[in-house]
Amino acid sequence: DTGVSQDPRHKITKRGQNVTFRCDPISEHNRLYWYRQTLGQGPEFLTYFQNEAQLEKSRLLSDRFSAERPKGSFSTLEIQRTEQGDSAMYLCASSGTNSGSPYNEQFFGPGTRLTVL
Amino acid sequence: RKEVEQDPGPFNVPEGATVAFNCTYSNSASQSFFWYRQDCRKEPKLLMSVYSSGNEDGRFTAQLNRASQYISLLIRDSKLSDSATYLCVVKGRSQGNLIFGKGTKLSVKP
Repeated sequence: DTGVSQDPRHKITKRGQNVTFRCDPISEHNRLYWYRQTLGQGPEFLTYFQNEAQLEKSRLLSDRFSAERPKGSFSTLEIQRTEQGDSAMYLCASSGTNSGSPYNEQFFGPGTRLTVL
Repeated sequence: RKEVEQDPGPFNVPEGATVAFNCTYSNSASQSFFWYRQDCRKEPKLLMSVYSSGNEDGRFTAQLNRASQYISLLIRDSKLSDSATYLCVVKGRSQGNLIFGKGTKLSVKP
């Protein structure tokens, strides 16, 4: 499978614990995005990387959240001291760079569903 | 005001029906526009980009009105397999993030 992969697919944790999710983008894509989706809502942007550089962060990304893409390939999203409100689907997407085109498609992974008890 | 607003759903239609979804966006500087489809408990997938002149892909037609900041999606001859949530998406001011509407759920019944 050459699509975007995410691990784990499901995570159940207790409030206050730390969790880390991994995303492996499509191999030739240099842009990687994290989104969060709650029930009945569309995905909400969290952050994005071009290669290893984190270029943009949403105000939704509180100081408990940190994302890295150390070698410009896979990325991790860590949530510290989880809260019940963090329960959501965390989606990763990747896209290539087609300079001059605003229509680069973002391909989404299957998501990691987080439940905080 | 939400950046992207869509018709509230759900839309329940019989097979063969024509159904239209509407969407408005608040940022006049938005650069690009899309419709994504999301099946239950699955990831969103690009259905089609929306170009200024309007575009068609088989049974699907998308229209953009920049002056009114309005996007539409028309599905003709609905199939059972069209049942999904349709997300109106606008690309933000930066080169990065997509801004999604809440989505409109479509159920096509036999």
